[in-house]
Amino acid sequence: GESVGLHLPTLSVQEGDNSIINCAYSNSASDYFIWYKQESGKGPQFIIDIRSNMDKRQGQRVTVLLNKTVKHLSLQIAATQPGDSAVYFCAENTGGGNKLTFGTGTQLKVEL
Amino acid sequence: AAGVIQSPRHLIKEKRETATLKCYPIPRHDTVYWYQQGPGQDPQFLISFYEKMQSDKGSIPDRFSAQQFSDYHSELNMSSLELGDSALYFCASSPSKGTGESPLHFGNGTRLTVT
Repeated sequence: GESVGLHLPTLSVQEGDNSIINCAYSNSASDYFIWYKQESGKGPQFIIDIRSNMDKRQGQRVTVLLNKTVKHLSLQIAATQPGDSAVYFCAENTGGGNKLTFGTGTQLKVEL
Repeated sequence: AAGVIQSPRHLIKEKRETATLKCYPIPRHDTVYWYQQGPGQDPQFLISFYEKMQSDKGSIPDRFSAQQFSDYHSELNMSSLELGDSALYFCASSPSKGTGESPLHFGNGTRLTVT
């Protein structure tokens, strides 16, 4: 994925609001997508996944939307909490095996 | 639940030295992956192994090598270290035999600092 160096895109939301994090993926042949949450000093943590034969999937407080036409993925977090503050990455399986290609992360900051 | 275990958590080496990073996958996971993450950057795929055989290769420098052992743990060997090798190195594992049907589970990484 493209890197933005030390300046990650940042999304600031108020506690209790809904958050929407967007991701544009690169490979139209990708058939499996995952959202990861990464807290400082930790490894990426699985949040939710979606396969290309779906356009929406819901989890607990999270929803992933997939628009294959424009190669766009979004993560919606309902009732955002301070513990949701982290960097969020989308990742795509670029066909064959389980190798994942990560997109540019988004820093989510939750303000009290 | 058991997670992916990486060791050491932190490692400081000098230029031109060698380093070995270790990864213990989640039990019954047969596939391991190595990723490198620079400051403020997304994780970059290095290499993966399935059943002790290399299954995919990414942007891994020739100075690095890796292998997976019979107990499924993996080691990343890094030689002739350069300042630019300073990064977080993550290992991930999955149970899906490389079929692209399940997410990767990541360890908490090894922070390598080359001085």
